[in-house]
Amino acid sequence: DQQVKQNSPSLSVQEGRISILNCDYTNSMFDYFLWYKKYPAEGPTFLISISSIKDKNEDGRFTVFLNKSAKHLSLHIVPSQPGDSAVYFCAANTNFGNEKLTFGTGTRLTIIP
Amino acid sequence: EAEVAQSPRYKITEKSQAVAFWCDPISGHATLYWYRQILGQGPELLVQFQDESVVDDSQLPKDRFSAERLKGVDSTLKIQPAELGDSAMYLCASSPRQGRGYTFGSGTRLTVV
Repeated sequence: DQQVKQNSPSLSVQEGRISILNCDYTNSMFDYFLWYKKYPAEGPTFLISISSIKDKNEDGRFTVFLNKSAKHLSLHIVPSQPGDSAVYFCAANTNFGNEKLTFGTGTRLTIIP
Repeated sequence: EAEVAQSPRYKITEKSQAVAFWCDPISGHATLYWYRQILGQGPELLVQFQDESVVDDSQLPKDRFSAERLKGVDSTLKIQPAELGDSAMYLCASSPRQGRGYTFGSGTRLTVV
């Protein structure tokens, strides 16, 4: 039962263009959503989050959009840089961030110079 | 910047042997989590502690895995005996009692041969 889904295992984007990573969820109890970036042999590092009371959150080059009716969120990175090449995980939980995270399977983003 | 410390970073062990991982959360963080990430999948929760008490170990294979957090600070995850399918990245994370702030350590990469 995959409650958080990332249907694109990989994505390649030209440097300077926009990267859009997508995530769908099925559990309507989720009220807090996070994106993590992971390099090989390292732990996930927090990128950006959004609570269910918002539909957009922006932090520098990173913007997360939440569509609760569609149970869909997306991460936009603009402009994309070579250092953005990594695996990106979408995660969700309840209680605004202090319970266990349910992760998607990840999307490997490759930025082409 | 405060970090979650994990050791060892890498571990190779033969199947049927015992192996242990250690985690030191961020000072003051009441909640500690152990996740397992199998290659190509998202991290999955194995066990969650609130102070020294286990609050969720529903996904922990209790016939071979054990976890403890005796004084409510650092924690040990043990596998005995290790099986080939246990090869994965074992991630520790912590969060404070109040407010947000979910931080992962760098993980322990376990290879069972």
